Amino acid sequence: EAQVTQNPRYLITVTGKKLTVTCSQNMNHEYMSWYRQDPGLGLRQIYYSMNVEVTDKGDVPEGYKVSRKEKRNFPLILESPSPNQTSLYFCASSPHLAGRTDTQYFGPGTRLTVL
Amino acid sequence: AQSVTQPDIHITVSEGASLELRCNYSYGATPYLFWYVQSPGQGLQLLLKYFSGDTLVQGIKGFEAEFKRSQSSFNLRKPSVHWSDAAEYFCAVEKSGGSNYKLTFGKGTLLTVNP
Repeated sequence: EAQVTQNPRYLITVTGKKLTVTCSQNMNHEYMSWYRQDPGLGLRQIYYSMNVEVTDKGDVPEGYKVSRKEKRNFPLILESPSPNQTSLYFCASSPHLAGRTDTQYFGPGTRLTVL
Repeated sequence: AQSVTQPDIHITVSEGASLELRCNYSYGATPYLFWYVQSPGQGLQLLLKYFSGDTLVQGIKGFEAEFKRSQSSFNLRKPSVHWSDAAEYFCAVEKSGGSNYKLTFGKGTLLTVNP
């Protein structure tokens, strides 16, 4: 089954404790992206990756890191989480299609609480 | 920069009634437009998309949307709502070309369906 998986689905942590949220897709998609969803703000892009070893900042990258060492995986790293990073996080992937994507497929989300 | 406005934060309809969710976008070039649905505790599922061609697009679950360039709108419609349609709906525009296929989302419209 074609899918985007994220782990963990739920996480409660404390300020400053490094964490990683994993994202994996089995569709051989080149493009992957991370979004955060906050009430009243909708979804905002954190980072994206056009392909292996190619990553760049989205609209709200502060406090986050990413890596793309393999095509299928795109982990989101919070080196020193803070309470303002409490949010619902979504990973998405999409194939390239002549200068644009087709459908972006979203993972089930990771609900992060930073105390 | 592109933007998406969903004027209605919350809409309540009765089961069996028709539905129209509004979406206005601001984008200089030809937009790629999407409607996603998010059920409680779930990820985002694509309902339909518009890239070019016929301005009336059909999606899953009986939804359709009409692209009106003159009004910069991409409203979502359904002739008869089912209780299972209760969810949050997001309109999104994709920035075409360039190196980031970022989706810019509206802030969402929460749909409540009364029996």
